[in-house]
Order: sequence, then C-alpha cells, then structure tokens
Amino acid sequence: ETGVTQTPRHLVMGMTNKKSLKCEQHLGHNAMYWYKQSAKKPLELMFVYNFKEQTENNSVPSRFSPECPNSSHLFLHLHTLQPEDSALYLCASSATPGGAADTQYFGPGTRLTVL
Amino acid sequence: AQKITQTQPGMFVQEKEAVTLDCTYDTSDPSYGLFWYKQPSSGEMIFLIYQGSYDQQNATEGRYSLNFQKARKSANLVISASQLGDSAMYFCAMRGLYNFNKFYFGSGTKLNVKP
Repeated sequence: ETGVTQTPRHLVMGMTNKKSLKCEQHLGHNAMYWYKQSAKKPLELMFVYNFKEQTENNSVPSRFSPECPNSSHLFLHLHTLQPEDSALYLCASSATPGGAADTQYFGPGTRLTVL
Repeated sequence: AQKITQTQPGMFVQEKEAVTLDCTYDTSDPSYGLFWYKQPSSGEMIFLIYQGSYDQQNATEGRYSLNFQKARKSANLVISASQLGDSAMYFCAMRGLYNFNKFYFGSGTKLNVKP
C-alpha cells in the first residue's frame, strides 16, 4: 500500500463504547497528525506527533487518547464520546519537521457517528 | 498569529472555463509555505500545489497554478479548463517556519462545475 491509510472508514458507536481509529503511513515520514472535521466547520488540529513524541495537544478532551507506537502508526482511542464528537477524523503525515515546505499528506478519513 | 481567510463559501464555474479561488493569509513568520488541498465528497484531502514564500515564480502543477502576491498576502488558486471532476471543497493552508507543527487551514470554498 502507498500513502496514508485509515481504518475503519466508517464507525458508528454508542456513547459508552470504546473504539480505536488506526492510521498508517507508508511515506517514510516522521510527523503524524490527527484532525477533526465537523460539518460546516474548519479543520481542527487535535494532536501532533514528531518522532513518536507528542508535540501538540490542542486542548482536546481526555475522552480522545492518541497513541503513536512508531513513526508509521498512529491511533486514536475513543471512549465515552458525545454526539457532538460525530465528525470526519483525518490523519496526516509529513516529512521530518523543520521546514515550512513540508507538505502534509492525508488519509481518506474515518467518518464517525456517535449515537 | 497565523490566519488563513477564504472569503468565497461557494462558487460556480462553467465546464472548460478557468476559475480563481481566493486565499489571503496573515503571518509574522519570515518564511512560510502555502498549500492548496482539494476535498471531494469522499472526504480525502488531496494535496494540489505548494508555494514557498521566497519562491520567485508562481507555482504551477498541470491545470493548477498559484497566483502568489506576497505584498498583498494573497495566494489564489487558479484552475484552468475546469472539469466536472473538479467539483469539490478547496482549502488553502499555511505553515510557518517557527511553529512548523501547525498547518493553518482556511474555511474552504465549495466549487461546483456546471456542464
């Protein structure tokens, strides 16, 4: 596989469920990102990982828990979510950070519905 | 503070005609990169074109070109010879030298190409 992949593509969960979103990049990048995209809202940066270390947490509620075991994989663990958390969750990666020219490449997203 | 502004929530263009999507930005970084992404209804964010703040020439990628006017802080995307498949959301984004963890996205422009 090439590029950035995300699984599952669609997820429906109840507010008491625990689920995880997975992201994998095959581009040799060292920075990975989680974004949330709600209907009619701008893209919201959630977390950033550089070389497996979290470098950005954009005041995300603790019911979202990221994990980055290596530079190629990124997870978002979900528990006790609220209906307002329903959104498209996008994963992205970029090359070793340090330059303004590094382009982010996105996965196809996971469309999450919380009932 | 970094900010991206896209003032056109929606636009229509006739097939085979050219269209310009507006983007203005605000930054205090001495060096920065500007990006355009396309998001079809499937959700994936597709990278289109990049312009560096010190690039002397406007970037071009196939039918896409970036009209970069540094003094005006604008980075408009020009799509030539529009195709039906160009119908999508288009996002302008920026990344600065100093806070390279963050990409700043505009609110997007919905482009509809009419046959």
